[in-house]
Amino acid sequence: QKEVEQNSGPLSVPEGAIASLNCTYSDRGSQSFFWYRQYSGKSPELIMFIYSNGDKEDGRFTAQLNKASQYVSLLIRDSQPSDSATYLCAVNGGPGYSTLTFGKGTMLLVSP
Amino acid sequence: DAMVIQNPRYQVTQFGKPVTLSCSQTLNHNVMYWYQQKSSQAPKLLFHYYDKDFNNEADTPDNFQSRRPNTSFCFLDIRSPGLGDAAMYLCATSRALESSYNEQFFGPGTRLTVL
Repeated sequence: QKEVEQNSGPLSVPEGAIASLNCTYSDRGSQSFFWYRQYSGKSPELIMFIYSNGDKEDGRFTAQLNKASQYVSLLIRDSQPSDSATYLCAVNGGPGYSTLTFGKGTMLLVSP
Repeated sequence: DAMVIQNPRYQVTQFGKPVTLSCSQTLNHNVMYWYQQKSSQAPKLLFHYYDKDFNNEADTPDNFQSRRPNTSFCFLDIRSPGLGDAAMYLCATSRALESSYNEQFFGPGTRLTVL
């Protein structure tokens, strides 16, 4: 049974701070890792994905992957109140056709 | 803009009364997925179509069925909704190519209420 674990939160940070969201996964064969943002009552929105060890940056977002530790994280720099949402980590088996396994998500609250 | 569309956005049905949710996409993706998501839970994959091939998850109740008449449309049928089926139903699509990483794109969801 593939599992993806996230701290449910809420993670509270002040506006302008760095928010750090973490995710661990059980399937060592996992190859692609996705971060989705989900506002309350809305559907998940893809923020970014990563498949190589190390860091991947996209604007204020940085995804970090450590396959040896089976750990992936998302850093949000200069957090804004509009970043307040639940962040879902998802994992799949690799390139091509594969289904995703989602974590339950971490709720982030950014206070003005 | 290319997108995933779900109708209706809100659906109210009575206990035991069949309901159909629809999903359409203009992305021309070959894979379409249906998820069920309850409050504070992870999206739960019900089934998916890879082109015309139907793939059911082992723990999806028989009460849930799906149809994909063509590339663009996919339907979720709930034959006899129970109170426990009240949830957000999410449709997603992906382009399953060896060179891709199978990013899934979600529609806005249908919120189902069972009275």
